[in-house]
Amino acid sequence: KQEVTQIPAALSVPEGENLVLNCSFTDSAIYNLQWFRQDPGKGLTSLLLIQSSQREQTSGRLNASLDKSSGRSTLYIAASQPGDSATYLCAVRPGNTGFQKLVFGTGTRLLVSP
Amino acid sequence: DGGITQSPKYLFRKEGQNVTLSCEQNLNHDAMYWYRQDPGQGLRLIYYSQIVNDFQKGDIAEGYSVSREKKESFPLTVTSAQKNPTAFYLCASSKMTGVDQPQHFGDGTRLSIL
Repeated sequence: KQEVTQIPAALSVPEGENLVLNCSFTDSAIYNLQWFRQDPGKGLTSLLLIQSSQREQTSGRLNASLDKSSGRSTLYIAASQPGDSATYLCAVRPGNTGFQKLVFGTGTRLLVSP
Repeated sequence: DGGITQSPKYLFRKEGQNVTLSCEQNLNHDAMYWYRQDPGQGLRLIYYSQIVNDFQKGDIAEGYSVSREKKESFPLTVTSAQKNPTAFYLCASSKMTGVDQPQHFGDGTRLSIL
């Protein structure tokens, strides 16, 4: 059974720092991995999707990497801003399902202080 | 603007009562999903639907029911059989064509017990 773990559970940094969020998964047979952002009391916003054949994806100050063989992904946030404060969730799409089922981690709660 | 609309934002249930959560999308997506989010846990899949008039149980379907009479709508009923319904409920949708289609989420409904 696929399990997804995110470390750390919470992170507090001063504005301007570069930071890395970690995601690990137990079964390397995946179609893709997604990173989401969730603001308090809100739904999820898709940030980046990495296909299983890709090593990384970039969007603005965000860069996500994928090492499928070791079951790891990282989300790198450059020059963090207070507006980046949110919970970040990673999710994998297992490779043994015929539909777009996602298995989610429990998230990293990020606080960027001015 | 295209998106997913969930209503109501807050909902209260009395003992023995069934309640229905609404989810409407105008993204022309074929697939729709219902997730439950509890504090400290990742999202868990309740039900999903890949096409009108068809739906499948997810990982925690007991005590819930759904219908998919229209492509745009996927309501979730929390029945009295669900003994611990207090949670944040999220609806999502995605295209079905292609392997790597991101899921788009609504802003959620928070359900509490009176």
